[in-house]
Amino acid sequence: DGGITQSPKYLFRKEGQNVTLSCEQNLNHDAMYWYRQDPGQGLRLIYYSQIVNDFQKGDIAEGYSVSREKKESFPLTVTSAQKNPTAFYLCASSQTGDTQYFGPGTRLTVL
Amino acid sequence: GNSVTQMEGPVTLSEEAFLTINCTYTATGYPSLFWYVQYPGEGLQLLLKATKADDKGSNKGFEATYRKETTSFHLEKGSVQVSDSAVYFCALSVSAGANNLFFGTGTRLTVIP
Repeated sequence: DGGITQSPKYLFRKEGQNVTLSCEQNLNHDAMYWYRQDPGQGLRLIYYSQIVNDFQKGDIAEGYSVSREKKESFPLTVTSAQKNPTAFYLCASSQTGDTQYFGPGTRLTVL
Repeated sequence: GNSVTQMEGPVTLSEEAFLTINCTYTATGYPSLFWYVQYPGEGLQLLLKATKADDKGSNKGFEATYRKETTSFHLEKGSVQVSDSAVYFCALSVSAGANNLFFGTGTRLTVIP
């Protein structure tokens, strides 16, 4: 089955900790994206990558970091510098210039 | 700039009622337009899309027509079902390179039997 997987589904973090969210796709898409969703709001772009070993900041990159060492993987690290990290995080992928397809999401809660 | 304005919810309808969710946009260039649906606790699923003016996207009984003259992409369905209860997002994409999506705030639809 082709698709996008995200893990874990639920993640709890203590204040001051870094956590990494996984995103994997087997669609052979070149581009991958990370979005943040807060209750009652639309999605906001954190980072995106159009090709391996390259990525760009989105609208709300502060407190987050990413890597793109492999085409199929685009992990997101939420650092302790992110002041309000509790949210629903969505990963997406696409062929360059084409429709984005989304994973099932990871819900992060800071305790 | 690029932005999407969606009809505010929540929207509650009885089963078999007609649905319209309004969406208007502002964009530089010639955007592609999308409707995504999010069921509780899940990611977004592409519902339909249109890539140029006057195109009609359709899927699962939902339709939306790309209206350049009114900068709109309203979502419609003739007869909703309980299983259509979800949050619906209108979005646009203007850059063929980066292909970044700009989302509306979402409209929650609840269909009651």
